[in-house]
Amino acid sequence: GAGVSQSPSNKVTEKGKDVELRCDPISGHTALYWYRQSLGQGLEFLIYFQGNSAPDKSGLPSDRFSAERTGGSVSTLTIQRTQQEDSAVYLCASSPSPGILAKNIQYFGAGTRLSVL
Amino acid sequence: AQSVTQPDIHITVSEGASLELRCNYSYGATPYLFWYVQSPGQGLQLLLKYFSGDTLFQGIKGFEAEFKRSQSSFNLRKPSVHWSDAAEYFCAVGAGMDSSYKLIFGSGTRLLVRP
Repeated sequence: GAGVSQSPSNKVTEKGKDVELRCDPISGHTALYWYRQSLGQGLEFLIYFQGNSAPDKSGLPSDRFSAERTGGSVSTLTIQRTQQEDSAVYLCASSPSPGILAKNIQYFGAGTRLSVL
Repeated sequence: AQSVTQPDIHITVSEGASLELRCNYSYGATPYLFWYVQSPGQGLQLLLKYFSGDTLFQGIKGFEAEFKRSQSSFNLRKPSVHWSDAAEYFCAVGAGMDSSYKLIFGSGTRLLVRP
């Protein structure tokens, strides 16, 4: 596609429910990132995928958060047993060529706004 | 640890006035620095980047940034602000291994433009 696509754009859920957020990166981009933007914490790195390498999960805040990337393209971020503090905008980004520094620019989607009631 | 500080939470300028948004970073090696802009309901758009070399960089929309290693700063500037520049601006440093990196963001500066 023309840009990074995220769905849904808005998600309202009840505390304790599981949610799945989807990211469709720019075609041909090998790297994919998830960030969280919340009032209290600003923009935080969550997880990074690059090709078939093991993902960098160092930013995931708890074991309720997980993500997968199937076929090196679409990614799903799953939050289990959601809590009110999970309310935030979840941003996905992709980049074309992590091994070529000059091209390693991250392009962001519009995000999914998650509200946990 | 790597960090980015944007000391101004919000700034208000008049349309046509000049603008400078401050950014200070802490990073042990040569930093990779970025400025992103976020309009309401939108994702982040890259304004400009620094990887190495010159100290003054031109970005999109008439923005420029100056890298000062001695001050650990990467301030964003624009000579004449337009009303459409009202948005939130984020400075970020790239951190990671093998030239593939995650972005560490500052807390952002919200720009308001007076008519």
